[in-house]
Amino acid sequence: GQSLEQPSEVTAVEGAIVQINCTYQTSGFYGLSWYQQHDGGAPTFLSYNALDGLEETGRFSSFLSRSDSYGYLLLQELQMKDSASYFCAVSGNSGYSTLTFGKGTMLLVSP
Amino acid sequence: DSGVTQTPKHLITATGQRVTLRCSPRSGDLSVYWYQQSLDQGLQFLIQYYNGEERAKGNILERFSAQQFPDLHSELNLSSLELGDSALYFCASSVGTSFSNEQFFGPGTRLTVL
Repeated sequence: GQSLEQPSEVTAVEGAIVQINCTYQTSGFYGLSWYQQHDGGAPTFLSYNALDGLEETGRFSSFLSRSDSYGYLLLQELQMKDSASYFCAVSGNSGYSTLTFGKGTMLLVSP
Repeated sequence: DSGVTQTPKHLITATGQRVTLRCSPRSGDLSVYWYQQSLDQGLQFLIQYYNGEERAKGNILERFSAQQFPDLHSELNLSSLELGDSALYFCASSVGTSFSNEQFFGPGTRLTVL
């Protein structure tokens, strides 16, 4: 079967750095994506890794190790507005473009 | 604003009933995906359509069906509704061929089954 594991909750203070880990087990794999969702809102795309290594987009970076079936999202210079749920998702389980999501990590940023 | 629209925003109905959720993808996007989000199951992929054809199926129940029309809008039909079908239903769209497979999510339809 398929499974994605990520912590259910992470807390941090403004200005800090936080890392959200994701391990996965899937029958097909093309890449690992990260999405952000504010309470009750629409998930929004943050990043995508198809190859091993680090991808950087502003304050956010994402890493993938295909051999370890592991990735992480790194958020730097945390701001209050970063308080949200973060989902890792793998593509390839039901087809190239379909996404299988983890249960999400709720990030709480305090002043 | 992602450019994906969903109607209605909220829907309250009774067990045993049938409802239809509607989605209009971003202009130019050929793929439409449906997801169900509930507290205990998280965000679950239901079904994908690409340019009018069913492309992939996920954890979609037999009581649920979907279609994509020639103008690329899509509808998700839920029938014989049960209390457990109460959830947030998202539609997402994508070009369908991009490397990153970035999907753009609509605001969702919150379904409450009483």
